[in-house]
Amino acid sequence: SYELTQPPSVSVSPGQTARITCSGDALPKKYAYWYQQKSGQAPVLVIYEDSKRPSGIPERFSGSSSGTMATLTISGAQVKDEADYYCYSTDSSGNHRVFGGGTKLTVL
Amino acid sequence: EVQLVQSGAEVKKPGESLKISCKGSGYRFTRYWIGWVRQMPGKGLEWMGIIYPGDSDSRYRPSFQGQVTISADKSISTAYMQWSSLKASDTAMYYCARHIGEQQIHDGFDIWGQGTMVTVSS
Repeated sequence: SYELTQPPSVSVSPGQTARITCSGDALPKKYAYWYQQKSGQAPVLVIYEDSKRPSGIPERFSGSSSGTMATLTISGAQVKDEADYYCYSTDSSGNHRVFGGGTKLTVL
Repeated sequence: EVQLVQSGAEVKKPGESLKISCKGSGYRFTRYWIGWVRQMPGKGLEWMGIIYPGDSDSRYRPSFQGQVTISADKSISTAYMQWSSLKASDTAMYYCARHIGEQQIHDGFDIWGQGTMVTVSS
């Protein structure tokens, strides 16, 4: 079955740039989506179609994709950005939709 | 305001049946795929399946096929997830979520429900 691989954790100091990666064989052909989930809350879409930002999401959140890796970048990370982040995509057939395992971002 | 509102928390015994709901409002319910996502305690998100309320076309993750049934009643803008015989391993938070693009089967989710916690214990 198709898998998306994320690092379990990323840690940065406030004001630094946090980068969270997501690798998958079909990412050269399929979009990546990124979700932020804070403790006890429903997920929130922060990036869609690799690099588009929904309305209401701060400009410090950006996305990119190159080859088999998609990256979520948080420029000038803030303590309030601490959360679990999940990438989401599909396999090359489009039939198998999966979330990555999640990355816990710590900002302190 | 576009929103999905889910039914409340449930506590059930193994072997019991259950149907949880997800009501959409603020948009044309029949024209957007709705998905269900499981999150077991302390674990990550798992895509379970999707349904198009316009004609009830559905897709399932193979591991959930036959274990749950996804349905929709377009007359009341509500999607459902049901189990015929619950197991302790079904204990989890279940989210419904809407696809971003109208009629787009291959898409991510933008609007999420608040989640329904299902606890299965004897």
